[in-house]
Order: sequence, then C-alpha cells, then structure tokens
Amino acid sequence: QVQVVESGGGVVQPGRTLRLSCAASGFTFRDYGFHWVRQAPGKGLEWLTLISYNGGEKYYADSVKGRFTISRDNSENTVFLQFHSLRTEDTAVYYCARALGGSGTYLWAPVSWGQGTLVTVSS
Amino acid sequence: QSALTQPASVSGSPGQSITMTCTGTNNDVGGLNIVSWCQQHPGKAPKLILFGVSERPSGISYRFSGSKSGNTASLTISGLQPEDEADYYCLSYSYGNILVVGGGTKLTVL
Repeated sequence: QVQVVESGGGVVQPGRTLRLSCAASGFTFRDYGFHWVRQAPGKGLEWLTLISYNGGEKYYADSVKGRFTISRDNSENTVFLQFHSLRTEDTAVYYCARALGGSGTYLWAPVSWGQGTLVTVSS
Repeated sequence: QSALTQPASVSGSPGQSITMTCTGTNNDVGGLNIVSWCQQHPGKAPKLILFGVSERPSGISYRFSGSKSGNTASLTISGLQPEDEADYYCLSYSYGNILVVGGGTKLTVL
C-alpha cells in the first residue's frame, strides 16, 4: 500500500540549515507530485510547496519562497525539503503528502500523507 | 489569517447530519473545482476525505459529501458518528499556483 515517511526533523538553532526527506513506496513514484505542509503547535495547516512528477514544476507559498527549496530524486523515491535559514516561527510538524497525480489539476490534491516530522527551531 | 474562511466549530448529535462551509474568492474556491477537504484527529496526520469538490478517495465513507456554490464550498457529514469528531480543513488551488488552506473547523459530536 501507499507509504509516505518523513525524516530529518530535530532541534536546530535559528539561522541554520536543515534538510527533510520524504521516502515513498507502494506506487510508481515518478508518476506523482508531492506537497509539503506544516502545522505549528496548536495551529492549523499551512501549505508550503509542491513539486510535479518530474521536478519540472515547483511552487511555493510566499511565506517560504526563497528560504525553502523542494526537490526530488526519482531514482531514490525520495522528496526533499531544504531549509536555508531557519527562524523560530518555522517550528512545526512538517508533513509530506503525495498528490493525486503528477501534473495538471490532479497535482493540487494532497491525497496520501505521512505521519510528519517535528522541527524545533530554538537557541 | 487564513486565506479561506471556515467556522471555528460545529456540533451535532450522533445520527444527525452537519454541514460546514469554506468561503474563498473568485481566485480560489470560486475559480476552479479544485477544492479538497482533510480530516485530522488529535495528534494524527491529516487524511484527505474529498477532492475535486465532491470526489471521495478510495476507502472514504459515502457519509462524507461535498458541494460548491459560488465562492463557498461545503462539507456534509451524514449519519454523524463519534469517530467523526475531529478538525476539518478545506484546501483550494488558487490562481498564482498556490494551495490555500482554511483555518479549520472543530467538529464536536455531542
């Protein structure tokens, strides 16, 4: 069955970099897009970024544009989220979610979610 | 402040039907039929229950249904059950190639 597993979270100091990974299995990885969505403690969901099936399309929320980078390695069935300069307000659980499809309108429905990985930004 | 507006809470008794709304603009909810709904139980990951306004992914109960009128999408849960108590979020594609999310609605089953 479809499995999505995030890793790479932890405690990190403000201004530092960090890279999260999202390993997926149970389907043809290269056919699907992926989202990253975060949830700060006690808060709602915040969409961050999306990558298409081949990495040709990447979209970002204004709040993270220029600070976060999404990428994928179709040979390793893994999606990445690179943080370039973390802030305390980036403290959250980060979820990776597979899209309904690889491009077009199906790209915009995050259908299969992982359990999330917690990133705590603190000095 | 969220891009999509959802009521903070709704409630209903077991067996009843409830409807919650998600209001956006012509640039998102009202623009295309790319509206999804997620259910999230406390301490758990979100789970997609509707996409494309009213389509259910495999394994999602028929008790969940969706609709849209103008700039407002709605989620209806019929035959309310205790396990439906959760937070519900609407998500919509927005022109400019972003996904906007509502602030969430807490459903209480009385």
